[in-house]
Amino acid sequence: QSALTQPASVSGSPGQSITISCTGSSSDVIDHKYVSWYQQHPGKAPKLIIYEVSNRPSGVSNRFSGSKSGNTASLTLSGLQGEDEADYYCSSWAVSGPVFGGGTKLTVL
Amino acid sequence: EVQLVESGGGLVQPGGSLRLSCAASGFTFSDHWMSWVRQAPGKGLEWVASIKNDGSETVHVDSVRGRFTISRDNVRNSLCLQMNSLRAEDTAVYYCVRDRAWYSFDYWGQGTPVSVSS
Repeated sequence: QSALTQPASVSGSPGQSITISCTGSSSDVIDHKYVSWYQQHPGKAPKLIIYEVSNRPSGVSNRFSGSKSGNTASLTLSGLQGEDEADYYCSSWAVSGPVFGGGTKLTVL
Repeated sequence: EVQLVESGGGLVQPGGSLRLSCAASGFTFSDHWMSWVRQAPGKGLEWVASIKNDGSETVHVDSVRGRFTISRDNVRNSLCLQMNSLRAEDTAVYYCVRDRAWYSFDYWGQGTPVSVSS
């Protein structure tokens, strides 16, 4: 079982906002600012969309935002578009190496 | 433009070995930690191993420790993963990734598939 828990799926209609949660199994797993989020389209390599909880790499849409409260990090995607349909993974730094969440499939209705 | 190009994947029998390589270009390779991340068919992402920018430190996930070895050549700008004693559960696409800092991976290769089967 992953040390980071994500919902298996979320869905939303175009234009709406969705939030994907990422909860650490223990406080030390996610009790820092080194949380990242990745987007992966089918058959493609993952893409970094958020690092250090809330920072966006250059070129990533500002419709993506990240936050954290306690041992739960969240990814919010506003103004849903069809191209946002993908799998999303959270990841957290850990002393023994990074851990990934199980992934969340976003469906745009 | 940053490019990471993996090679070396393929079909291997259980107990066999493979050596994956990753050719890096478009950035100062010796400035970055590098890692391998894998994805089993239909499954999520799993970190495999990381190596410090100067090669002086390596970290491996428990499930591959003692069987896999990550290494790098900062002259040839290449990253390698030597995989021995392969098991069926090692079947996955293996990605070469660049670490921007603190295990946030900002560039990914296209992946190389590894299939362990008799």
